[in-house]
Amino acid sequence: AQSVSQHNHHVILSEAASLELGCNYSYGGTVNLFWYVQYPGQHLQLLLKYFSGDPLVKGIKGFEAEFIKSKFSFNLRKPSVQWSDTAEYFCATRRPLRWRGGKLIFGQGTELSVKP
Amino acid sequence: GAVVSQHPSWVICKSGTSVKIECRSLDFQATTMFWYRQFPKQSLMLMATSNEGSKATYEQGVEKDKFLINHASLTLSTLTVTSAHPEDSSFYICSARNPGTSGMSYEQYFGPGTRLTVT
Repeated sequence: AQSVSQHNHHVILSEAASLELGCNYSYGGTVNLFWYVQYPGQHLQLLLKYFSGDPLVKGIKGFEAEFIKSKFSFNLRKPSVQWSDTAEYFCATRRPLRWRGGKLIFGQGTELSVKP
Repeated sequence: GAVVSQHPSWVICKSGTSVKIECRSLDFQATTMFWYRQFPKQSLMLMATSNEGSKATYEQGVEKDKFLINHASLTLSTLTVTSAHPEDSSFYICSARNPGTSGMSYEQYFGPGTRLTVT
């Protein structure tokens, strides 16, 4: 079965610190991978996604993630966080549609608090 | 980008009553919509997948008779919580798949969510 695990429940950083949020998935076949962000009081927004190709994916707002197939990981990174990055971050995985998957499965979420 | 709306944004109802939540894709037609439930400080749990014109597919453990889903048009899906109880209080989020992208790499857009409180 598909599952996603995020290592950190709550991360607290100071502004300008570097960020890395861990994400591991369990499905051994081909998967699509996503990071979503949920700012306080707002809806989920897509930060970045990986379907195939270059394993280093660049997203919006300076975020990037690296797909490491051998480690079943898709960690999110940002070299220098800002106070406005304070939010909940969700890693998600999805089996490709042609295998009758298409269900987006979310990790537990990581709350990021950035101190000004 | 594609926009998904939900109505109402919050609702308070009494135990035993039913509540309907609407999910609309505003600028695209969505053959497939998804309903999620999110508890405070927790992840989104997929409840069901809704396909236009056919019955919804429910995830294991989700009561289909309690959470009625109707996807009558390409832009509207509804979730009705029947005979609501306090334990049904939660944040319900819908998502719509944009069919404009074919194959594996389709986009999925999320609504702002509906906060349901059952007293």
